[in-house]
Amino acid sequence: SQQGEEDPQALSIQEGENATMNCSYKTSINNLQWYRQNSGRGLVHLILIRSNEREKHSGRLRVTLDTSKKSSSLLITASRAADTASYFCAKAGYSTLTFGKGTMLLVSP
Amino acid sequence: GAGVSQTPSNKVTEKGKYVELRCDPISGHTALYWYRQSLGQGPEFLIYFQGTGAADDSGLPNDRFFAVRPEGSVSTLKIQRTERGDSAVYLCASSLRPLDDEQFFGPGTRLTVL
Repeated sequence: SQQGEEDPQALSIQEGENATMNCSYKTSINNLQWYRQNSGRGLVHLILIRSNEREKHSGRLRVTLDTSKKSSSLLITASRAADTASYFCAKAGYSTLTFGKGTMLLVSP
Repeated sequence: GAGVSQTPSNKVTEKGKYVELRCDPISGHTALYWYRQSLGQGPEFLIYFQGTGAADDSGLPNDRFFAVRPEGSVSTLKIQRTERGDSAVYLCASSLRPLDDEQFFGPGTRLTVL
């Protein structure tokens, strides 16, 4: 089964706008990771946030984690056409990484 | 090579046949993972190796699936008596430390069972 469900399923924005994707999960985690996948480059790791962290930044990416609500969000600021991809959150439990179904982001020039 | 490599990139086989998919992880990465991804879905965990041993094989769908990593480096995923439902992209990933670290994914093997 998959958990770490993302919403929305699809998001369409213009270049320069911000994109926010959310992820919910059901059981406790050690960390939560965000990955990007596009047809040209496969799955690429974006950022990892540990269960004792609340916010993390990497370039134009900002990730938050709320363990009380079992949710995380990924914010991409000043989006570019090259950000077009599917974004997945992955929950790291004791021995496995469980991916959600992903959010498809389309950034139009 | 610098990244995770997988061979073949594409495999077409007939129902009932046996297939082997190979993964070469990043040198020095002790953890190796296999996933399966169907269209429109996220990767689904199959099995995870720490060194030579399978630390967690709970994601293998049934006993037709088996994976080995005899020397703690290259891994082979083996599927017996393939079924049409096995068609998917099989992804391999490796990491320096198990689960507490980012995973580096290979390009995948697209398996098509006719």
